[in-house]
Amino acid sequence: GDSVTQMEGPVTLSEEAFLTINCTYTATGYPSLFWYVQYPGEGLQLLLKATKADDKGSNKGFEATYRKETTSFHLEKGSVQVSDSAVYFCALITLARQLTFGSGTQLTVLP
Amino acid sequence: DAMVIQNPRYQVTQFGKPVTLSCSQTLNHNVMYWYQQKSSQAPKLLFHYYDKDFNNEADTPDNFQSRRPNTSFCFLDIRSPGLGDAAMYLCATSQRSGTGTDTQYFGPGTRLTVL
Repeated sequence: GDSVTQMEGPVTLSEEAFLTINCTYTATGYPSLFWYVQYPGEGLQLLLKATKADDKGSNKGFEATYRKETTSFHLEKGSVQVSDSAVYFCALITLARQLTFGSGTQLTVLP
Repeated sequence: DAMVIQNPRYQVTQFGKPVTLSCSQTLNHNVMYWYQQKSSQAPKLLFHYYDKDFNNEADTPDNFQSRRPNTSFCFLDIRSPGLGDAAMYLCATSQRSGTGTDTQYFGPGTRLTVL
């Protein structure tokens, strides 16, 4: 079945550091890929998405590129802020229409 | 702004006392979902409605039911909450398209506490 493997957390960075959260997937067909962010006590917010190979999703300084050859969708940000502290979920959806999540990565950014 | 709204944000109930959580949307999407999220875990799909068609996940307990009286509203009923039902409940919506790879948009969640 479909699955998403995310980098284990927690991740702790200093403000202005470079962020990478790794995400790889297994899926039948050609999934759409997503990153969701969840701030403490809140629901999930769509951060970015990509629907086909080589697409780059970007939002709020975050980027991720859909790499079909490596089945990856790594999340990056050049300079993190304290306000980026949250849990990040990588997810995919296929024609089966079920959203499959990774286990989530807790990010803490220290001032 | 178009959005997904959940009420209440925090709900406290007693063991065995029925509780209803509500979700509304202004996105006019044809699919609405209910997820359960326990601490430090990914959300788990309970069921979804595609228009009026109800789809229950195989492992969703019988204790959980849902109603969708119209396009905009969807309710989650927990008939006899147990301590294990304490969780964040997330509503999401999507517009079903021919590609099947529909983006889901989530509400802020309702945190349920069972005493």
